Amino acid sequence: AQSVTQLGSHVSVSEGALVLLRCNYSSSVPPYLFWYVQYPNQGLQLLLKYTSAATLVKGINGFEAEFKKSETSFHLTKPSAHMSDAAEYFCAVSDYGTGNQFYFGTGTSLTVIP
Amino acid sequence: GAVVSQHPSWVICKSGTSVKIECRSLDFQATTMFWYRQFPKQSLMLMATSNEGSKATYEQGVEKDKFLINHASLTLSTLTVTSAHPEDSSFYICSAPMGRGQAGELFFGEGSRLTVL
Repeated sequence: AQSVTQLGSHVSVSEGALVLLRCNYSSSVPPYLFWYVQYPNQGLQLLLKYTSAATLVKGINGFEAEFKKSETSFHLTKPSAHMSDAAEYFCAVSDYGTGNQFYFGTGTSLTVIP
Repeated sequence: GAVVSQHPSWVICKSGTSVKIECRSLDFQATTMFWYRQFPKQSLMLMATSNEGSKATYEQGVEKDKFLINHASLTLSTLTVTSAHPEDSSFYICSAPMGRGQAGELFFGEGSRLTVL
């Protein structure tokens, strides 16, 4: 079975500071991992995805994430936070190949302080 | 641009009425679509999997008679909230996977905010 744990439901950073959003997964098969961003009253937008290729994945808006199998982690980072990064972030694991069902973490709300 | 379109974005209805939400895949066919419900400040809860040409698969605890799902074509799935009550007020989001044969990515609609008075 697949599951995702996001540590920290709220993260606050200063504008220009490093952003680190944590995600740990549990999967009985090689996982496909995703980070999505959600702005208020909108659907989810894909930031980046890991699909068993390069372990360091670069996404949109300057975000990247590193797949670490030994730590079962897929943390999301951005070197310098921007005000527009304030949003809700969801980590997800997929059981692609057995129905494409996604399992979402509980989300992390990112606040950027000017 | 958007690859999955949801309509309406906002809907307010009276208690006891039914509301239909549409989810369309744009420029691709989706034999499967997913319907999620999201409460304020919470994650997405999968309600059901919509299957084109067959019955939807509901998650445990989701009333199939309350939340009617129809996947009439390869580009359209609808969710009808029947006899809506205030506790059904929520943000409903649909999604569709695209790209079988490679790691399927889920594309999400814009969401539909339902308020039942």
